Amino acid sequence: EVQLVESGGGLVRPGGSLKLSCTASGFTFSTYEMNWVRQAPGRGLEWVSHISRGASTIYHADSVKGRFTISRDDAKNSLYLQMNSLRAEDTAVYYCARAVFVYGSSPFDYWGQGNLVTVSS
Amino acid sequence: EIVMTQSPATLSVSPGERATLSCRASQSVSNNLAWYQQKPGQAPRLLIYGASTRATGVPARFSGSRSGTEFILTISSLQSEDFAVYYCQQYNSWPPYTFGQGTKLE
Repeated sequence: EVQLVESGGGLVRPGGSLKLSCTASGFTFSTYEMNWVRQAPGRGLEWVSHISRGASTIYHADSVKGRFTISRDDAKNSLYLQMNSLRAEDTAVYYCARAVFVYGSSPFDYWGQGNLVTVSS
Repeated sequence: EIVMTQSPATLSVSPGERATLSCRASQSVSNNLAWYQQKPGQAPRLLIYGASTRATGVPARFSGSRSGTEFILTISSLQSEDFAVYYCQQYNSWPPYTFGQGTKLE
């Protein structure tokens, strides 16, 4: 059974940092491209970051570029999102999501349970 | 950036009825369009990709279609478990992937 389990969320002050983790099981993690998607309270879905197999290609949304960094450790079946210089508008539930297709543009077929990040003083 | 516009924002229907949800792209996304269902407190669930291909385990009452830049999700006979928020997503021109704002089925 495919599972994505997130951790690392919580309350942080504006300007602070936080690192989210997503641990995968039930599939060969290294062969899939992965993404982070967030959802502000009561709002819709916003794509945040993408990482290809082998981390050869990385993309971030303009809203987080220069502040967030996606990474992966295939030996640990884990995906990460390092979030720096956090702002109130970064408050959201963050989901890790697996790409359906093994390369290139793709929808997302498996999602983590979500991890709430609250940026507030 | 491609803008995805969903309508209506809220759709009031009764169990057993047919529901038709619309998603329009600001420019062509070919058939690279997915639909997701999200229930309160849960992660989104992939329903449809490639505009009309059902994801694994999705009931046949869910179907997707395309006419130009307009995409339709049809639920043929609503079940109680179908009341949720539905999002469309384009994955044709990226980054960024973009989602519609959602349609709430109530």
